[in-house]
Amino acid sequence: DAKTTQPPSMDCAEGRAANLPCNHSTISGNEYVYWYRQIHSQGPQYIIHGLKNNETNEMASLIITEDRKSSTLILPHATLRDTAVYYCIVRRITQGGSEKLVFGKGTKLTVNP
Amino acid sequence: NAGVTQTPKFQVLKTGQSMTLQCAQDMNHEYMSWYRQDPGMGLRLIHYSVGAGITDQGEVPNGYNVSRSTTEDFPLRLLSAAPSQTSVYFCASRALSSGNTIYFGEGSWLTVV
Repeated sequence: DAKTTQPPSMDCAEGRAANLPCNHSTISGNEYVYWYRQIHSQGPQYIIHGLKNNETNEMASLIITEDRKSSTLILPHATLRDTAVYYCIVRRITQGGSEKLVFGKGTKLTVNP
Repeated sequence: NAGVTQTPKFQVLKTGQSMTLQCAQDMNHEYMSWYRQDPGMGLRLIHYSVGAGITDQGEVPNGYNVSRSTTEDFPLRLLSAAPSQTSVYFCASRALSSGNTIYFGEGSWLTVV
């Protein structure tokens, strides 16, 4: 399985950029990288995803290294509401053509005032 | 468009009882899945389905059954509940085409005593 490795926790000052790293060194060429976050025990909230190219949306930017073995989620101006557990996920395609989402343990991001 | 709807939100069961967690989506998504989340851990895949009539096991399938008779519904059955199944359960769905966003339900809190 293409597993992901993330630091267990990070801190960020309010208004500053939060850069969350993820290692997925065993990722295959057709596997997407997704980022979700979970606030308290709510359902995971989609942030962004990508395959090879860097991506940006209204919430965040995703930087994927050229060898695709790691990526970084960037929250450009973190707010207190961004305090959450952030999951880096690899979408794995099985031999039978079906798919699974492989969750890591996530990074607990705390945004401090 | 309600997205992914899970019921019940909270449930307490006695050991040995059976019950079904319901999951429905109104987005015509082919792919649906069930995850469990234990304290301090990421989500672990229980079962998934890539379309009506097709299901497959995930990482932790023991003690759970699923069926997919329609595109909209993907119920998760606990045949004989055990305290080890005390957890938060999340249902997810997405369109099967590559790179589509995965949507999660709000979770079902299950306690087995």
